[in-house]
Amino acid sequence: NAGVTQTPKFRILKIGQSMTLQCTQDMNHNYMYWYRQDPGMGLKLIYYSVGAGITDKGEVPNGYNVSRSTTEDFPLRLELAAPSQTSVYFCASSESSSGNTIYFGEGSWLTVV
Amino acid sequence: DAKTTQPNSMESNEEEPVHLPCNHSTISGTDYIHWYRQLPSQGPEYVIHGLTSNVNNRMASLAIAEDRKSSTLILHRATLRDAAVYYCILRSPLGGSNYKLTFGKGTLLTVNP
Repeated sequence: NAGVTQTPKFRILKIGQSMTLQCTQDMNHNYMYWYRQDPGMGLKLIYYSVGAGITDKGEVPNGYNVSRSTTEDFPLRLELAAPSQTSVYFCASSESSSGNTIYFGEGSWLTVV
Repeated sequence: DAKTTQPNSMESNEEEPVHLPCNHSTISGTDYIHWYRQLPSQGPEYVIHGLTSNVNNRMASLAIAEDRKSSTLILHRATLRDAAVYYCILRSPLGGSNYKLTFGKGTLLTVNP
């Protein structure tokens, strides 16, 4: 039961570097999400996707990009990393209905120095 | 998104019941009430959800007020493993961005041995 898998788990970036956080799910879910969580705070939505080829911005999209070429994968790209992007990132997926469970990955801890 | 209000923290003793309240006075008639919890250094995990009727599962019970403006998550016998941040979230079936979950700060539950 893989569920939602995120890589890498930990990463240190220098200011101005770029990287991609990978996310894949094996449940054939249409909906996928990227959240970030700063210390002591709740999760904030960065981007979401309602299906392959369709993505949209959440609350805090600046500095990030996403793509959804397949149902399974939803990578998050950080361009020109900044210290403000130091956070824990969670990928999630769900069925389309609002009555369905959202499944989360284990998180990716990112530090920008 | 309709907002929820939860106490910042609650404390319980092991093997005692815990009642975690949530107010959602602006809930719409079609919003589902979801509860998730987040253990330290982990991604959120689903606990329970409901629409109008009280719900039970192996983890917890959800009691929904008749006017749906509040709900209570009930852990029947708290264990040390239940120490976590509990999030009460409303999820709309209207499609698109309304399928996302909007997280507040949640309630930090401390369980004393």
